[in-house]
Amino acid sequence: GAVVSQHPSWVICKSGTSVKIECRSLDFQATTMFWYRQFPKQSLMLMATSNEGSKATYEQGVEKDKFLINHASLTLSTLTVTSAHPEDSSFYICSANSYEQYFGPGTRLTVT
Amino acid sequence: SQKIEQNSEALNIQEGKTATLTCNYTNYSPAYLQWYRQDPGRGPVFLLLIRENEKEKRKERLKVTFDTTLKQSLFHITASQPADSATYLCALVRGAGGGADGLTFGKGTHLIIQP
Repeated sequence: GAVVSQHPSWVICKSGTSVKIECRSLDFQATTMFWYRQFPKQSLMLMATSNEGSKATYEQGVEKDKFLINHASLTLSTLTVTSAHPEDSSFYICSANSYEQYFGPGTRLTVT
Repeated sequence: SQKIEQNSEALNIQEGKTATLTCNYTNYSPAYLQWYRQDPGRGPVFLLLIRENEKEKRKERLKVTFDTTLKQSLFHITASQPADSATYLCALVRGAGGGADGLTFGKGTHLIIQP
């Protein structure tokens, strides 16, 4: 149990375009999901907390207008990277909460 | 600000020996601490959670200790196997730990078990 999926697993997009990443809890409901970003050889950094039915909470330094989060149901949260630039290239990972968090497999975003 | 340090970027251990990884933290009083395993290109996988009022926790070949006075956790893998080779992440809950709080991660220790 406690499986979290992400789609797509990798994506390449051109600079200036937008990309949507989906995070789903497959066998449980999650009122809260989290989005992290991981650059090579760095730790996972929390970007935002996604709350079902309400606005996301963003960490300091994360632009809410650039990283749009929608948590429309108890099993789905989406992260949209708008007007992507090469510096947004990273590994994006979502998790769904319990005391221990269940992480998705991650999405590798490359912006060319 | 809160800071988590893990003991080294790479740790080489002979198969069959015990691997011990260290996690130190500052400016923080976490309700609990967690350890995760991360393989290259994959999301972290939960291993163990230890609460502030627990000194030690075990799961099969894994053991975690938590010293809130020293602000340190030790993670042990006994009878290590090459399949244990991975990066191990220490993580602290950011708030009171009610399930609605994100985690702060260390950079991780890359463990290599040599046959």
